[in-house]
Amino acid sequence: SYELTQPPSVSVSPGLTARITCSGDTLGHKYTSWYQQKPGQSPVLIIYQDNKRPSGIPERFSGSVSGNTAALTISETLAMDEADYFCQAWDINTVVFGGGTKLTVL
Amino acid sequence: QLQMQESGPGLVNPAETLSLTCSVSGGSISTSNYYWGWIRQPPGKGLEWIGTMDYSGTTYYNPSLKSRVTMSIDTSKNQFSLRLISSTAADTAVYYCGRGSAAAGGAFDIWGRGTMVTVSS
Repeated sequence: SYELTQPPSVSVSPGLTARITCSGDTLGHKYTSWYQQKPGQSPVLIIYQDNKRPSGIPERFSGSVSGNTAALTISETLAMDEADYFCQAWDINTVVFGGGTKLTVL
Repeated sequence: QLQMQESGPGLVNPAETLSLTCSVSGGSISTSNYYWGWIRQPPGKGLEWIGTMDYSGTTYYNPSLKSRVTMSIDTSKNQFSLRLISSTAADTAVYYCGRGSAAAGGAFDIWGRGTMVTVSS
C-alpha cells in the first residue's frame, strides 16, 4: 500500500523558518495537501495542490515539491503555529495521510 | 458557509456495528464539484482515511477497511452515512466527515468538528 513518510517532530525557534517534509513514491506526480491540527480541534487545510493556500491562510505558510518529497515551510514561525501537521495525497482512488509531524515552537 | 456535523452513538459494543451520519448545511450535497468522506483519528495518533463517495453513490474505501465499511448518501436529507461492522477496540477514534474537492487536487477543504466513538463493553 502507498505510504507517506513525515518526521515525527520538528522544532523551531520563534521568528525562524520551519520546514516539514513528506516523502512518498512518485509523490512528485501527485498533488499534496497539508493540514494543521491543534489539540482538540479538527484539521484545517493550509496548502492544496502542492503550493496553493486557501483564503484566510497566512502567507507565511508555503508548500513546494522536489522529486518525491513535498515540503511545508513556515516562515517567521509564531507560537500559535505549534501544532500537528499532516500531508495527504491520492493514490489510485485511495486517500493517504502521512503519519504527522508535531511542530514545537521553542 | 458550508458546515458539516457528525452524529451517532458515542459508545459501541464490540462486534456490533458503528453507524454515523454527517449532516451538511449551507450547501447542497448533490453537486458534482465535491465529494464526501470519512476520516478517523485514534486517540493520540494520526489521521486514517476511511472512505469517500460522490453524490451519485460512487464510493472508494480504504483497502484495510473495505470488507467492513459501507458509505451511503441521502440527498433528500443532505446527509451521508458510515457503517462499520464487526467493531473492535481498534475502531475507537474521533470520526470526522469532510468535503473533498477535485478542484483543490483532492484536498479536504471543510471538516466537521468530529465525534468520539468508543468501542467497549
